Amino acid sequence: DTGVSQDPRHKITKRGQNVTFRCDPISEHNRLYWYRQTLGQGPEFLTYFQNEAQLEKSRLLSDRFSAERPKGSFSTLEIQRTEQGDSAMYLCASSPGVGQFNEKLFFGSGTQLSVL
Amino acid sequence: AQKITQTQPGMFVQEKEAVTLDCTYDTSDQSYGLFWYKQPSSGEMIFLIYQGSYDEQNATEGRYSLNFQKARKSANLVISASQLGDSAMYFCAMREGLSGNKLVFGAGTILRVKS
Repeated sequence: DTGVSQDPRHKITKRGQNVTFRCDPISEHNRLYWYRQTLGQGPEFLTYFQNEAQLEKSRLLSDRFSAERPKGSFSTLEIQRTEQGDSAMYLCASSPGVGQFNEKLFFGSGTQLSVL
Repeated sequence: AQKITQTQPGMFVQEKEAVTLDCTYDTSDQSYGLFWYKQPSSGEMIFLIYQGSYDEQNATEGRYSLNFQKARKSANLVISASQLGDSAMYFCAMREGLSGNKLVFGAGTILRVKS
């Protein structure tokens, strides 16, 4: 198992620009999650997919944020018209998706976004 | 209301000693799961231990054990024989309810192990 990979590791952008992050989950994992983590805080849930279906979105996910998971494999998270408040670590996680309580999430190393 | 509360922003422990990291949770569900994750400075979240709400025994995984007190709604992590490599951020998280599909995390506790 190659683990969850995220690209890029770091992204610096100017306010108002659009950015897109990619996440490749562990193969055969049906569920894919996006979280956001600011300095000194725990990860905050943004959204999750079961295969290609986006089943839940947090209120944190404003209309400037969009996530996709075409074909139920990799996922992208796009932020349009970035704001300084979007600066954070964006974490992707995947899980087998069999619906057990003890199903743990496997996390990637994250994408650190800095909006100048 | 906070679902997961970690009241210790930072903790110090001497190498080879045990340390307890506190976690209290809030849920009205009978079925839920509690997790602890470690986040070293590299950023990756590493799963440590799981406790189910119906588990009668406290969970243990090597040097990690979970002190689960259901009536108090607490799930404290105990790390025995601390090592320098245990220095990291530690997060408590919960999955609740039959339809709970996501983990909700606390704010974390940073642990520093002193030599």
